[in-house]
Amino acid sequence: GNSVTQMEGPVTLSEEAFLTINCTYTATGYPSLFWYVQYPGEGLQLLLKATKADDKGSNKGFEATYRKETTSFHLEKGSVQVSDSAVYFCALTPDSSYKLIFGSGTRLLVRP
Amino acid sequence: DAGVIQSPRHEVTEMGQEVTLRCKPISGHDYLFWYRQTMMRGLELLIYFNNNVPIDDSGMPEDRFSAKMPNASFSTLKIQPSEPRDSAVYFCASSSRTQRGKLFFGSGTQLSVL
Repeated sequence: GNSVTQMEGPVTLSEEAFLTINCTYTATGYPSLFWYVQYPGEGLQLLLKATKADDKGSNKGFEATYRKETTSFHLEKGSVQVSDSAVYFCALTPDSSYKLIFGSGTRLLVRP
Repeated sequence: DAGVIQSPRHEVTEMGQEVTLRCKPISGHDYLFWYRQTMMRGLELLIYFNNNVPIDDSGMPEDRFSAKMPNASFSTLKIQPSEPRDSAVYFCASSSRTQRGKLFFGSGTQLSVL
């Protein structure tokens, strides 16, 4: 079946540290991959996406590369800010489907 | 653009009562999704609609849950009778067929069943 596995949190970093949140997936065919972010008390927002192998999605200093050989889509940011504190969700849509399947989420806490 | 609008924002009810959650999607969007979020189970897709027609309801937990979309601008999720284990945040989201996977989420309904 289709599923997404994320590293467990919380991840606690100091401001300006480098961030990596691991995400791997299981899917048939050619899924599209996404990262969503949820700030406290809000719904999720799309952060970035990649629709085919070797694509790199990027937004607000975050980036992730679609690696088909390792079935991964790790989220990275070179220098985190306190305002990046949130829960990050990796997700996929199976080939030719509009169904969005989420991972369990990883909470990020950035300290000043 | 008002975004996806959900109501109520908070709902507290007693076990056995009927609960109705409401959602107004973004105008022009073809797809509507209902998700449930809990600490234990994360984000679960309950059901989604395309052009007001239910496409996949395999995530609906049991017969106590039902969802309808009578027109393109309104959907409801009903729980009858409610139970304490239904306590969660329920999100509605909508998207366009031209942007597969890009969902716009409402602010959610925090449901507490006592």
